Amino acid sequence: DTGVSQNPRHKITKRGQNVTFRCDPISEHNRLYWYRQTLGQGPEFLTYFQNEAQLEKSRLLSDRFSAERPKGSFSTLEIQRTEQGDSAMYLCASSLDVLAGYNEQFFGPGTRLTVL
Amino acid sequence: AQTVTQSQPEMSVQEAETVTLSCTYDTSENNYYLFWYKQPPSRQMILVIRQEAYKQQNATENRFSVNFQKAAKSFSLKISDSQLGDTAMYFCAFMKHSKLVFGAGTILRVKS
Repeated sequence: DTGVSQNPRHKITKRGQNVTFRCDPISEHNRLYWYRQTLGQGPEFLTYFQNEAQLEKSRLLSDRFSAERPKGSFSTLEIQRTEQGDSAMYLCASSLDVLAGYNEQFFGPGTRLTVL
Repeated sequence: AQTVTQSQPEMSVQEAETVTLSCTYDTSENNYYLFWYKQPPSRQMILVIRQEAYKQQNATENRFSVNFQKAAKSFSLKISDSQLGDTAMYFCAFMKHSKLVFGAGTILRVKS
């Protein structure tokens, strides 16, 4: 399967714990995006990378959240000191940056986080 | 800031019939892209159709077509000959500077 993959698919944690999610994009894609989707809502943009550079972060991304893409391939999203409000589906997407074009974003299956 | 509004939380349609999902958006930009994404239950989101704002012609993809009204900032999705596999959450989305802004979604149920 050459699509976007995310691990784990489900994560249950206790409030105050740290969690880390991983996203593996489509291999030749140089852009990688993180979105958060709460129940009954559409996804909201969190951050995105071009290769290893983090180009933009949403104001939704508090200082408890950090994302990395160290070698320009897979990415990790870490949430420190989780709160119940962090419970959501975390979606990753990737795209191939095309100059003067648009970049279709291909989504992964998501990681569903439940904070107890 | 760009916003996307989907005013129909839920819709249902009989198999083989046609349904239209509504979407309005707000932006001050002139060049942008609009999308409809489908998110089946417990499955990942996939792109259904896209529209470039500079194109007057409405996009079509097989049974899916859009009605793009730029002045009214309206972007509806028409699904013809609805199939059971069309049952899903549908999101309207706006793209500018690589970021997608999504509406809250419309749950579509196709009934046999």
